[in-house]
Amino acid sequence: NAGVTQTPKFQVLKTGQSMTLQCAQDMNHEYMSWYRQDPGMGLRLIHYSVGAGITDQGEVPNGYNVSRSTTEDFPLRLLSAAPSQTSVYFCASSYSSAILYGYTFGSGTRLTVV
Amino acid sequence: SQQGEEDPQALSIQEGENATMNCSYKTSINNLQWYRQNSGRGLVHLILIRSNEREKHSGRLRVTLDTSKKSSSLLITASRAADTASYFCATGQVNSGGSNYKLTFGKGTLLTVNP
Repeated sequence: NAGVTQTPKFQVLKTGQSMTLQCAQDMNHEYMSWYRQDPGMGLRLIHYSVGAGITDQGEVPNGYNVSRSTTEDFPLRLLSAAPSQTSVYFCASSYSSAILYGYTFGSGTRLTVV
Repeated sequence: SQQGEEDPQALSIQEGENATMNCSYKTSINNLQWYRQNSGRGLVHLILIRSNEREKHSGRLRVTLDTSKKSSSLLITASRAADTASYFCATGQVNSGGSNYKLTFGKGTLLTVNP
């Protein structure tokens, strides 16, 4: 049981490049979310999904796209990378009865945009 | 804006002492959760308390929730050096139609337990 798997673990991008951060879970969790963590800012919600085909914006969605075509995968796309997107990105998932359960987090992707 | 705010931002104690961290939030919630993050690692879920509960225990952890004051506290008793980590509160909210749920985090408390 792998839990939540994020790839890559580290990435360096040039300004203007695009890329996709991958997130996969094998726990049959309906709920999935993407967060970014910056020093002094805690975790901020980027996008979230309550099931396949359903996504919604969080606090800081600009510059990011998501889709949820399967229950297992929730990729995060950076459309045109900017230095302000340098951060550590975490994916998390939970059961649909999330009011009763906590989230399981991946180990993170450390992204640097130069 | 972030829903939860932890207090203090940093806390340093000696091994064996108790550590108390507080969290305040702004709007109504369905649950409140606490997570731990060791340096350079992902977050680990510690405990969840629902909005209709007032206190919950798990091992050396005790969480209280006061919805009238929109606040929660996390108590770690008999702390150990291994408890050194950042601790985050997170609020879970279901939308009015019940079709959506999101979890919003505060900025965290950095706890240092000195041996």
